[in-house]
Amino acid sequence: DQQVKQNSPSLSVQEGRISILNCDYTNSMFDYFLWYKKYPAEGPTFLISISSIKDKNEDGRFTVFLNKSAKHLSLHIVPSQPGDSAVYFCAASDGSSGDKLTFGTGTRLAVRP
Amino acid sequence: SQTIHQWPATLVQPVGSPLSLECTVEGTSNPNLYWYRQAAGRGLQLLFYSVGIGQISSEVPQNLSASRPQDRQFILSSKKLLLSDSGFYLCAWRGGYNEQFFGPGTRLTVL
Repeated sequence: DQQVKQNSPSLSVQEGRISILNCDYTNSMFDYFLWYKKYPAEGPTFLISISSIKDKNEDGRFTVFLNKSAKHLSLHIVPSQPGDSAVYFCAASDGSSGDKLTFGTGTRLAVRP
Repeated sequence: SQTIHQWPATLVQPVGSPLSLECTVEGTSNPNLYWYRQAAGRGLQLLFYSVGIGQISSEVPQNLSASRPQDRQFILSSKKLLLSDSGFYLCAWRGGYNEQFFGPGTRLTVL
């Protein structure tokens, strides 16, 4: 049972445009959500997170939006840069299971120069 | 600042051979530590986590085991590797509110 889903395995965006990566979840107990960026043969790098008490969190070019009623979150990257090309994972945790994270399967972003 | 190390970076092992992957964390004490595996084209699967020395929780029944002999050391082992054990193994520690920070990973190929 995939509790965190990233239904788009890949996304291609022109440099300078907005990249929107989507993530859906099924477990209503999830209360904290994170986005990670991963280059090939490297460990994931933490990008940004959001608590369920918020609906938006912004950090520079990265903004995460949370829609709890739809059980949906998205990561916006504006403007997109070629160096943003990587695989992006969303992850979620719930208080009852401690600090374990459940990851999605990832979306590969390609930013075209 | 905190850093996390994993070794080896790559490993090619025959089926049936033993395995030992090591992870160490610097710059923090008593961290929560995690082992994940990323199989080809898949997401990250949590294998084990540890909240302290000698304390290991297993998430998925499998051919692997974990140990935490020291506060900042986490070891992933197997007595006999299977082909299905191939993958990219990642160690992580918990920081901040609930963020996990990952090491560089070990690419394991079982032939």
